Amino acid sequence: GENVEQHPSTLSVQEGDSAVIKCTYSDSASNYFPWYKQELGKRPQLIIDIRSNVGEKKDQRIAVTLNKTAKHFSLHITETQPEDSAVYFCAARTSGTYKYIFGTGTRLKVLA
Amino acid sequence: ETGVTQSPTHLIKTRGQQVTLRCSSQSGHNTVSWYQQALGQGPQFIFQYYREEENGRGNFPPRFSGLQFPNYSSELNVNALELDDSALYLCASSLDLHYEQYFGPGTRLTVT
Repeated sequence: GENVEQHPSTLSVQEGDSAVIKCTYSDSASNYFPWYKQELGKRPQLIIDIRSNVGEKKDQRIAVTLNKTAKHFSLHITETQPEDSAVYFCAARTSGTYKYIFGTGTRLKVLA
Repeated sequence: ETGVTQSPTHLIKTRGQQVTLRCSSQSGHNTVSWYQQALGQGPQFIFQYYREEENGRGNFPPRFSGLQFPNYSSELNVNALELDDSALYLCASSLDLHYEQYFGPGTRLTVT
């Protein structure tokens, strides 16, 4: 069935370093890939998204890349700050059904 | 914060009971999706409503049902509650099927 694998499950980086989180999806009909940040006890917050007709998108310190052939997409955070510490989820939405499949999450810790 | 609201914030129910959770979508949004998020997991898609019709369903049993009203607010009903139904229930709304979704704060359901 439809599946999104996300790695790593936990990631610790020093403040100022970069962080990369990777996801792989199974349904080739997926055409929209959002990333959410969820702080403890809070709602998931959309931080960046990419559609299948684009290979890369950047918003200040955050970027997402998409490789449709390999069915991979990645989140890149540069110049990490302590407030970037949270759980990050990737998701894939299938065209036609508009159903979202989420990854299992990555707990990012930025050490000051 | 998004304009998506949910009620109640917390709820404690006994196994076998029924529960109704409510979601008010952001103004102008006609699409609402419901998710179950167990502790330490990613959101799991329950179903989606688009213009008052169910538009897709995840792998949840029929005792999970829903409604969307003419003002596009929505309800999630769960019958015959089980202990495993304890989770954070999130709704998310989007302007239309093709647009990004924004989450509400969630309802924390505890089944004892």
